Amino acid sequence: QKEVEQNSGPLSVPEGAIASLNCTYSDRGSQSFFWYRQYSGKSPELIMFIYSNGDKEDGRFTAQLNKASQYVSLLIRDSQPSDSATYLCAAASGGSYIPTFGRGTSLIVHP
Amino acid sequence: DGGITQSPKYLFRKEGQNVTLSCEQNLNHDAMYWYRQDPGQGLRLIYYSQIVNDFQKGDIAEGYSVSREKKESFPLTVTSAQKNPTAFYLCASSIGGLDTQYFGPGTRLTVL
Repeated sequence: QKEVEQNSGPLSVPEGAIASLNCTYSDRGSQSFFWYRQYSGKSPELIMFIYSNGDKEDGRFTAQLNKASQYVSLLIRDSQPSDSATYLCAAASGGSYIPTFGRGTSLIVHP
Repeated sequence: DGGITQSPKYLFRKEGQNVTLSCEQNLNHDAMYWYRQDPGQGLRLIYYSQIVNDFQKGDIAEGYSVSREKKESFPLTVTSAQKNPTAFYLCASSIGGLDTQYFGPGTRLTVL
């Protein structure tokens, strides 16, 4: 059974701080990794995707992948109250091509 | 505008009724997916289709049915056999394979 694990939170950080969201996955064959943001009552929207080991930066967001440790993280710099949402991690392997989603981490950025 | 549309946004069903949720995309994506999300839960895969006229069961297909007669459309029917259908239903599409999934706005189904 493929699993993607996330701490449900909530993770509470002050405005302007760095928020660090973490995710582990069980399937060593996973090749593609995604971070989605989901506001309450809304559908998930893609924040980042990463395929290779290392860091990938896009604006205030940095995704980090460590395949040896089966670990993916998302860093949000200069956190804003508008970043308050649930962040879903997903991993897809070449075998099924269907991503497995974690349950999400709730992030609260307080002024 | 390119995107994925789902209708209706809210749907109420009486016990014993079948209801159909619509999902349409104009992104020219080959693959389409249906997920269910319950409060505090992750996304659970109901059905997926990687090509027209073909679809596969996901993890929780019992009580649901789909069709894929056109590339753009992937409707989901929630049958009376689904014992606990109240949930948020999300449709997604992707170019295929390992590519990024993009989600529609969702349909919130409530059983009265």
